[in-house]
Amino acid sequence: KNEVEQSPQNLTAQEGEFITINCSYSVGISALHWLQQHPGGGIVSLFMLSSGKKKHGRLIATINIQEKHSSLHITASHPRDSAVYICAVNSGGSNYKLTFGKGTLLTVNP
Amino acid sequence: DTAVSQTPKYLVTQMGNDKSIKCEQNLGHDTMYWYKQDSKKFLKIMFSYNNKELIINETVPNRFSPKSPDKAHLNLHINSLELGDSAVYFCASSQLGLNSPLHFGNGTRLTVT
Repeated sequence: KNEVEQSPQNLTAQEGEFITINCSYSVGISALHWLQQHPGGGIVSLFMLSSGKKKHGRLIATINIQEKHSSLHITASHPRDSAVYICAVNSGGSNYKLTFGKGTLLTVNP
Repeated sequence: DTAVSQTPKYLVTQMGNDKSIKCEQNLGHDTMYWYKQDSKKFLKIMFSYNNKELIINETVPNRFSPKSPDKAHLNLHINSLELGDSAVYFCASSQLGLNSPLHFGNGTRLTVT
């Protein structure tokens, strides 16, 4: 079992829908990262969280440390949001080692 | 202004060859990383360097040797390439460890034939 589990693995939505991607982890962490990988392959950091909630444009990320769970929300989804969203945590007491989830493939249809 | 740049973008080579991938960041970050993304798109850490010093070596074969001549550069040299080395390799950097956002290079797609 991976230390970081994401759900769903695949998600198809219609433009304008509210999207939620979930991430659960089994180890103590000091930070959780949400990354976006576009079809072209490049990876962009969306959020780095250690507690609470962060918002950037239409994207919102939350984390519950006690429950070892984080969610990434996309409001008013758009076809350009189609990408793989990856959750990653720094674990094992290390500030230099990220453990990744397997990613969620999001497709937003017009 | 490219923040993290890695070259080459594509690398096709035969088994047994030795090849290098270069990475440079102009963000003034202290920490740099190499990640491998396999055919199933799963990312795994290979190496982490902080201020030119190796911090993490994640059970990578000895054929892989990172070199950090200064904190802005982290190159990856691979000896005696094998078919299983085919993957996309990403370089990344962060200000200081993982309690700061990551900046990724565009990746190098390595194909070993």
